[in-house]
Amino acid sequence: DQQVKQNSPSLSVQEGRISILNCDYTNSMFDYFLWYKKYPAEGPTFLISISSIKDKNEDGRFTVFLNKSAKHLSLHIVPSQPGDSAVYFCAASVKTGANNLFFGTGTRLTVIP
Amino acid sequence: NAGVTQTPKFRILKIGQSMTLQCAQDMNHNYMYWYRQDPGMGLKLIYYSVGAGITDKGEVPNGYNVSRSTTEDFPLRLELAAPSQTSVYFCASRSGANTGELFFGEGSRLTVL
Repeated sequence: DQQVKQNSPSLSVQEGRISILNCDYTNSMFDYFLWYKKYPAEGPTFLISISSIKDKNEDGRFTVFLNKSAKHLSLHIVPSQPGDSAVYFCAASVKTGANNLFFGTGTRLTVIP
Repeated sequence: NAGVTQTPKFRILKIGQSMTLQCAQDMNHNYMYWYRQDPGMGLKLIYYSVGAGITDKGEVPNGYNVSRSTTEDFPLRLELAAPSQTSVYFCASRSGANTGELFFGEGSRLTVL
């Protein structure tokens, strides 16, 4: 009953190239989406979010795209840097500030120097 | 800046033992959360609190209890440890109802044998 799915457990990208991490969801009530980054032995840290009223949100090298009809979102990192190597979690909730965030299983990104 | 602090970082319990995972935040956040992350899975919400004296169940509350006597502290109690509670536990907080951004602690790895 995983409502948020990240089907690629891992991704390797050359430094300087684009990283694209994908996330699918099944609950049409989800209205707010976030990406978190996690380094080993640390807690997740917030990266970027998007509300369903938008289809794109950008913050520096990070851009999140939302396709509501396909129930799909993606995180683009351009250009990728070795320090971006981490596990990336997609999360969703029924509204901004809802108490229950539903997390995906994560994608491990490795950026090769 | 301490942020969200969890103790202990590691613990091994025997079946049937009890213990408390401690969580403290120094950001004056009203909202606090406990998540667990099982291998290969996303984080799942155990309990949350929207302020001192107020707690509520999340997605997977069975086998756990919480209390919130102060704004700063949100301990998670395991009364009768079971192997199914072997997991990594994350405490998190956020500042208010209008943001989805969570601040996480570093996690507590619990093994029940």
